[in-house]
Amino acid sequence: GAGVSQSPSNKVTEKGKDVELRCDPISGHTALYWYRQSLGQGLEFLIYFQGNSAPDKSGLPSDRFSAERTGGSVSTLTIQRTQQEDSAVYLCASSLAPGGVTDTQYFGPGTRLTVL
Amino acid sequence: TQLLEQSPQFLSIQEGENLTVYCNSSSVFSSLQWYRQEPGEGPVLLVTVVTGGEVKKLKRLTFQFGDARKDSSLHITAAQPGDTGLYLCAGVDSGGYQKVTFGIGTKLQVIP
Repeated sequence: GAGVSQSPSNKVTEKGKDVELRCDPISGHTALYWYRQSLGQGLEFLIYFQGNSAPDKSGLPSDRFSAERTGGSVSTLTIQRTQQEDSAVYLCASSLAPGGVTDTQYFGPGTRLTVL
Repeated sequence: TQLLEQSPQFLSIQEGENLTVYCNSSSVFSSLQWYRQEPGEGPVLLVTVVTGGEVKKLKRLTFQFGDARKDSSLHITAAQPGDTGLYLCAGVDSGGYQKVTFGIGTKLQVIP
């Protein structure tokens, strides 16, 4: 079956430009997460969406980062005025239902962002 | 902020050897998960351990959750080249949703 897909797989941009990263979760999954994986760092939580509820944005590193989830499905992570320290792999994950300690998050392949 | 420390960060061994990876925290988690990630792909969940002292086996992989639910280990018996990858431990809190804190990972290379 179709898993979580992300696009683009690679993005190279110049410092100061805006970028949009897209995530298509598994159909029927109500919970969606964004993470950032930098070289030498673990996965860092960015934002969480659940249905029509207000997202948990507590992990967003600055106000240059924002995310939307339209119609409870596709999500877009936007980084404005990109900086070199934003270079990382951005991973999206979805799960069937929130909250359970044994719930499984399914990850997409990620978008590798390089800011020159 | 809860932190998870993994050791070692890098491990290169010969095929057939055994190895253990450790994951430690000063905090208690509701559960602990282990993931494996290959280059260019997202992490894939291997196991979730919930009860202190719990041991789970997945073929040649044995996972243990510490009695105090602050630490865990992953033991691989007779490693194979196909075991090569980045192994991530992740502590889970369930406060409304599954809030996961990831360790930095252990990069394992199994040489044929």
